[in-house]
Amino acid sequence: GAVVSQHPSRVICKSGTSVKIECRSLDFQATTMFWYRQFPKKSLMLMATSNEGSKATYEQGVEKDKFLINHASLTLSTLTVTSAHPEDSSFYICSAYAGTGFNQPQHFGDGTRLSIL
Amino acid sequence: AQSVTQPDIHITVSEGASLELRCNYSYGATPYLFWYVQSPGQGLQLLLKYFSGDTLVQGIKGFEAEFKRSQSSFNLRKPSVHWSDAAEYFCAVGPTGANNLFFGTGTRLTVIP
Repeated sequence: GAVVSQHPSRVICKSGTSVKIECRSLDFQATTMFWYRQFPKKSLMLMATSNEGSKATYEQGVEKDKFLINHASLTLSTLTVTSAHPEDSSFYICSAYAGTGFNQPQHFGDGTRLSIL
Repeated sequence: AQSVTQPDIHITVSEGASLELRCNYSYGATPYLFWYVQSPGQGLQLLLKYFSGDTLVQGIKGFEAEFKRSQSSFNLRKPSVHWSDAAEYFCAVGPTGANNLFFGTGTRLTVIP
């Protein structure tokens, strides 16, 4: 159980385009979803916390107008990288959290490799 | 501020040998502790977690971890490593639970025949 599907797994696009990444919880309802960015050989950096039906909470230094997050249902959150540039190339990973308390782990998707040419 | 330290960037072990990956955290109270594994190009899979109770935690794939409050450590162990264990391992700390995680920088495990 607790499967998180992330799509697409890889995307290559031209500079200036917008890219949407989907994160779905397949067999549970996720009250909260998280979006992380991972640089090569680096740890995961939390970008934002997405709560269903409300605005996302962005971490310091993350441009909310560039990284648009929508969490319209308990099973789907989307991250849209707007007007993407080469420096936005990275590995983006989402996770979903089912708990209302503290005792449920985060379940991670398989990530999206974004390459901006 | 909370922090997570994984002192070993890269560890190489022989298949069948034992393994210990170190994790130290800095936090005033006892946080919630996690170990995740990441295969190349993949997301993270939860190996085990510690919330309270028995300080020796059993996880999947034969892994275990021991919480030592006096050392602020949560080291991951496996008695006999398999080639398929080669991956990146992340320790994570959640001061308030799994809804707010801080990750270590990871330890890359290489397994040699």
